[in-house]
Amino acid sequence: SQQGEEDPQALSIQEGENATMNCSYKTSINNLQWYRQNSGRGLVHLILIRSNEREKHSGRLRVTLDTSKKSSSLLITASRAADTASYFCATVQTGANNLFFGTGTRLTVIP
Amino acid sequence: EAGVTQFPSHSVIEKGQTVTLRCDPISGHDNLYWYRRVMGKEIKFLLHFVKESKQDESGMPNNRFLAERTGGTYSTLKVQPAELEDSGVYFCASSQENLGGWYGYTFGSGTRLTVV
Repeated sequence: SQQGEEDPQALSIQEGENATMNCSYKTSINNLQWYRQNSGRGLVHLILIRSNEREKHSGRLRVTLDTSKKSSSLLITASRAADTASYFCATVQTGANNLFFGTGTRLTVIP
Repeated sequence: EAGVTQFPSHSVIEKGQTVTLRCDPISGHDNLYWYRRVMGKEIKFLLHFVKESKQDESGMPNNRFLAERTGGTYSTLKVQPAELEDSGVYFCASSQENLGGWYGYTFGSGTRLTVV
């Protein structure tokens, strides 16, 4: 992988449950971003967390960042069927200006 | 504001043929990026334009790929001749100045390329 690994590769949950996805990366970063890709559609930016931040919230999304462990997690609370998609973490390395993506987690939310 | 537009959305071509993908970034976005996802693997960076100049093309896989951005507006990515392993989804993204790294990037819907 160019940069990150995501875990799990696939996750299937019932509607209303929480979904947690993890991302690990290898180098020093400026920030870490999470994106979602619905089937057949483009990547949608969800949330960005900077290297000096530890936790961030946006609606039902909660992102944590542990730079000492080079890892991040994305929590989606009270999941909905419409949350079914692939989720990718991506990092902007220190001094760089493009994204390095993880391998993605395929989330399926069962109604 | 119109988003990043890519076309075609799908393309099926035979091995050895040529395909040209196009990306129209958000108006005023000087930074334009190409990425691709091959066979369900990770999304990989291909190259980065600042206006019409190639800022970073370290991710271009080989000389069968040619990217241009004449006039600093839309960009094209040509694959010639296409090989089977070029199949995948090609994404384009744009950002204002160098702020993509601070506020996130806007991606297009991608072009799904199938080489048969």
